[in-house]
Amino acid sequence: GAGVSQSPSNKVTEKGKDVELRCDPISGHTALYWYRQSLGQGLEFLIYFQGNSAPDKSGLPSDRFSAERTGGSVSTLTIQRTQQEDSAVYLCASSLGIQGGEQYFGPGTRLTVT
Amino acid sequence: KQEVTQIPAALSVPEGENLVLNCSFTDSAIYNLQWFRQDPGKGLTSLLLIQSSQREQTSGRLNASLDKSSGRSTLYIAASQPGDSATYLCAVRPFQGAQKLVFGQGTRLTINP
Repeated sequence: GAGVSQSPSNKVTEKGKDVELRCDPISGHTALYWYRQSLGQGLEFLIYFQGNSAPDKSGLPSDRFSAERTGGSVSTLTIQRTQQEDSAVYLCASSLGIQGGEQYFGPGTRLTVT
Repeated sequence: KQEVTQIPAALSVPEGENLVLNCSFTDSAIYNLQWFRQDPGKGLTSLLLIQSSQREQTSGRLNASLDKSSGRSTLYIAASQPGDSATYLCAVRPFQGAQKLVFGQGTRLTINP
């Protein structure tokens, strides 16, 4: 496909379980971002990958959150021991990686922790 | 710390009207500003990107302006249509090299037929 894809589109999990969210960026885009959109919180930055550089993890809310990007393409965001406050829409974006490049967003994964 | 504000939070207008959405940011040292549209339950669609050196960008019925010194951007929508109903978000990239976007809370726009 031409756009950013994310899976699953919806995920319901029980409190305390681990979840993995997947993002496939646009082909050729070297930069990849994760954001979280919560009710009342708006959109907040989580983590950023650029090529082989060390990721910018400054937005991760706790050490229960981690992300990796394999082969410079697909990324997985992992949330361990989920809490109800983790319920949100998790959005992935990619860009060409040039400075000031336009970011293109995927449809998001809606996570509900019961 | 950069903060982005969008006012109003919600706006309802009749079809055919021209309208303006507002975005303000606290730190004028931005690299660029991007306007997005979000439909309910969907991701973000990029509408316009304005670099800090630019004053405006146009795409079809949309025109975005940027006044960096006053910390403001506007999105002008001409001849509004019901299909324009969505939440509109503006986001700034605070400075060169900082790749994250800082988002406003959005304006929920409803165009009434």
